[in-house]
Amino acid sequence: VLTQPPSVSVAPGQTARITCGGNNIGSKSVHWYQQKPGQAPAMGIYYDSDRPSGIPERFSGSNSGNTATLTISRVEAGDEADYYCQVWDSSSDHWVFGGGTKLTVL
Amino acid sequence: EVQLVESGGGLVQPGGSLRLSCAASGFTFNSYAMNWVRQAPGKGLEWVSSISGGRGSTYYADSVKGRFTISRDNFKNTLSLQMNSLRAEDTAVYYCAKDRYNSGWPPFDCWGQGTLVTVSS
Repeated sequence: VLTQPPSVSVAPGQTARITCGGNNIGSKSVHWYQQKPGQAPAMGIYYDSDRPSGIPERFSGSNSGNTATLTISRVEAGDEADYYCQVWDSSSDHWVFGGGTKLTVL
Repeated sequence: EVQLVESGGGLVQPGGSLRLSCAASGFTFNSYAMNWVRQAPGKGLEWVSSISGGRGSTYYADSVKGRFTISRDNFKNTLSLQMNSLRAEDTAVYYCAKDRYNSGWPPFDCWGQGTLVTVSS
């Protein structure tokens, strides 16, 4: 089970941190997805902290212990979306998604 | 350009069956694992099933195991999901998604637009 806060709110220009909690998640690779209303999810930070081309440097990730974190610096209105974390659970051979976090830009 | 286009969604009665398809283009289809992910109305993402490239090993979420079957046709570059014994709780938009790399457990780097499945009498 991956636990995410249902919502995070932040003012433009501030830093948003979205957490993904799981038992010893630091030993797994965490992937993040962004989903805007009416759209399919899109890959974001992957393998904890790798950033694909097209994703701004403002987006970063970390993973240690029981918490992975997606950090969005200098938040912009266009970052408003739902964010999901994902891991492969090798004990069950299942992909697992977090419940999702709605980022609101105030 | 990588493209994934789902089809086959629709309205089906509880206990009924439906077959979803995902037409893939723009990449070497048989080299990559493929996945189905669903999203119930107003809810989060739920992984449904995956199939590896090559040998085509399959994996299923507990909620669909024994009712859904994932398959692929590497000649037609098509991914399929046969859904039987459908329940109201299977109502969702179903997305197909491609693995970013052809080994390990990489992220899903390309997603289709989704197809809506509604299970209702």
